[in-house]
Amino acid sequence: AQSVTQLDSHVSVSEGTPVLLRCNYSSSYSPSLFWYVQHPNKGLQLLLKYTSAATLVKGINGFEAEFKKSETSFHLTKPSAHMSDAAEYFCVVSDMFSGGYNKLIFGAGTRLAVHP
Amino acid sequence: ETGVTQTPRHLVMGMTNKKSLKCEQHLGHNAMYWYKQSAKKPLELMFVYSLEERVENNSVPSRFSPECPNSSHLFLHLHTLQPEDSALYLCASSQDLNRGSLGTEAFFGQGTRLTVV
Repeated sequence: AQSVTQLDSHVSVSEGTPVLLRCNYSSSYSPSLFWYVQHPNKGLQLLLKYTSAATLVKGINGFEAEFKKSETSFHLTKPSAHMSDAAEYFCVVSDMFSGGYNKLIFGAGTRLAVHP
Repeated sequence: ETGVTQTPRHLVMGMTNKKSLKCEQHLGHNAMYWYKQSAKKPLELMFVYSLEERVENNSVPSRFSPECPNSSHLFLHLHTLQPEDSALYLCASSQDLNRGSLGTEAFFGQGTRLTVV
């Protein structure tokens, strides 16, 4: 079975400084990986996805993530944080039920705070 | 906004009530999901309807009953809930590829905030 671990439950940065949100996964085969963002009282929005093409994936709002198979990592980065980036971020891996039905496995989430 | 619409946005119900959550997707997808999001816990997948078949997660209590009348609509029927069932219930849809292949991303609705009193 696949799983995903987000290494930090909370990250706090100053506006204009880099953001790093860490994610490690375990997988017995080549995974599909995603990052989602959830602003307060909102649903989840897809930031970016990795599906075995380029290992450096660019997403919306200036975010990007790099798939590193040797480290089983898929960390999310942004060069310069903005106040509007404050939200909860989820790292997600695709897995299957028995019988071949797809499902998404979510990490516990990282809450990003951005200070002026 | 996202192509997945959930109603109601907020719901307060007593433990003896029966209510239903509704989800509609306008994306032409062939899979729909119910997730439960509780405070301080990872998102929990409750049910999947994929390629018109229902996949059950055995850990979901029978007081939650899903219904998928067609590929665009998904319901979650609730009865005799407990206070610990209070949570944000999220609906999602995706375009599943072939059976046995990894799925694409899911698109989420804004959720129904459920409070059981």
